[in-house]
Amino acid sequence: GNSVTQMEGPVTLSEEAFLTINCTYTATGYPSLFWYVQYPGEGLQLLLKATKADDKGSNKGFEATYRKETTSFHLEKGSVQVSDSAVYFCALSSNAGNNRKLIWGLGTSLAVNP
Amino acid sequence: DTEVTQTPKHLVMGMTNKKSLKCEQHMGHRAMYWYKQKAKKPPELMFVYSYEKLSINESVPSRFSPECPNSSLLNLHLHALQPEDSALYLCASSPLDRGLQPQHFGDGTRLSIL
Repeated sequence: GNSVTQMEGPVTLSEEAFLTINCTYTATGYPSLFWYVQYPGEGLQLLLKATKADDKGSNKGFEATYRKETTSFHLEKGSVQVSDSAVYFCALSSNAGNNRKLIWGLGTSLAVNP
Repeated sequence: DTEVTQTPKHLVMGMTNKKSLKCEQHMGHRAMYWYKQKAKKPPELMFVYSYEKLSINESVPSRFSPECPNSSLLNLHLHALQPEDSALYLCASSPLDRGLQPQHFGDGTRLSIL
């Protein structure tokens, strides 16, 4: 079946450090891949997406590239800020008729210190 | 600003109470979802509505009763809940088309069962 494996946290970084959160997946067919972010006390926000191999999603300085050969969708940011402290979820969506279930990673908690 | 609006933001109820959670979206999305989320865990899918019809029930106990009055509204009726039902309840919506579009989430209702 489909699955998403995400690196375990928590991750603690200093401001302006480089961030990588690893995400790998197992899926049949051609899934879409997403990163969602959840700030403390809030709901989930779509951070970026990619719908086919070699697509690069980007938003707010974050990037992730859909790598079919390594079945990966790692999240990166060159210089993190305190305001990036949140929980990050990698997810995939596999077409199953009209009902698209999201398969979630377990989430990675990021804390950025000033 | 989230385009999926959930009310109330917080709800405290006793185990014998009846209450309802409400969700509204005006993006023209024809799929709507209810999720339950425990702290720092990925959301767990509860129900999916497609074209206002219930298409997925993930074996949710009958004390949770969903309703979709029209294409913009989604309710979750609660009755005789248990303390373990305390969680963040998230509503989401997405287009129903041939592409694999992301789900858009509200900020959730934080539910506490006394």
